[in-house]
Amino acid sequence: ETGVTQSPTHLIKTRGQQVTLRCSSQSGHNTVSWYQQALGQGPQFIFQYYREEENGRGNFPPRFSGLQFPNYSSELNVNALELDDSALYLCASSSDRENTEAFFGQGTRLTVV
Amino acid sequence: AQSVAQPEDQVNVAEGNPLTVKCTYSVSGNPYLFWYVQYPNRGLQFLLKYITGDNLVKGSYGFEAEFNKSQTSFHLKKPSALVSDSALYFCAVRAPLTDSWGKLQFGAGTQVVVTP
Repeated sequence: ETGVTQSPTHLIKTRGQQVTLRCSSQSGHNTVSWYQQALGQGPQFIFQYYREEENGRGNFPPRFSGLQFPNYSSELNVNALELDDSALYLCASSSDRENTEAFFGQGTRLTVV
Repeated sequence: AQSVAQPEDQVNVAEGNPLTVKCTYSVSGNPYLFWYVQYPNRGLQFLLKYITGDNLVKGSYGFEAEFNKSQTSFHLKKPSALVSDSALYFCAVRAPLTDSWGKLQFGAGTQVVVTP
């Protein structure tokens, strides 16, 4: 086990709704990254937070947003859900923002219907 | 822009035989290279990384990888495969820090099937 926990493990939402996914980082880690893994593909970088500030973002629209809290846990929020948002969402934590070693959670499987 | 290619969608190997999973990369500057493994309905498990130093990197579960700068490759190897090694393997590269800090660029993945 990596010590990175994500909740919920599975989620079903309707198109147009909003969703919040949560991630608890490994103890001592101050960097968290979020990735989207569509079926049959590799993970795609959404964004990264370092000490509560976003310091990197991939090619995702603004309706994907996030937060990192003082205890370094994190949330991923997605507004106006679309069918193509159905994917496994992975959170990774690291002890440094350079991600010399990132540890992943088990993921949240989001299904949009 | 950085990129990673895993040319094989699937690798089939008999138990006890050597296993190789190929990865090539493209990035400006010196890369950080990683291998992760994913079992069904699970997150990614870290196997090994190359940052600097010896080109042969040893990792978890008997895996190793060889960094080849001239061929821009970072192939994953295991001398004797086990049935339990059957999983999805991802190669990833992290670009120099001027590009989105710790962003990992993943390949599409290679499914490894080890038969008894």
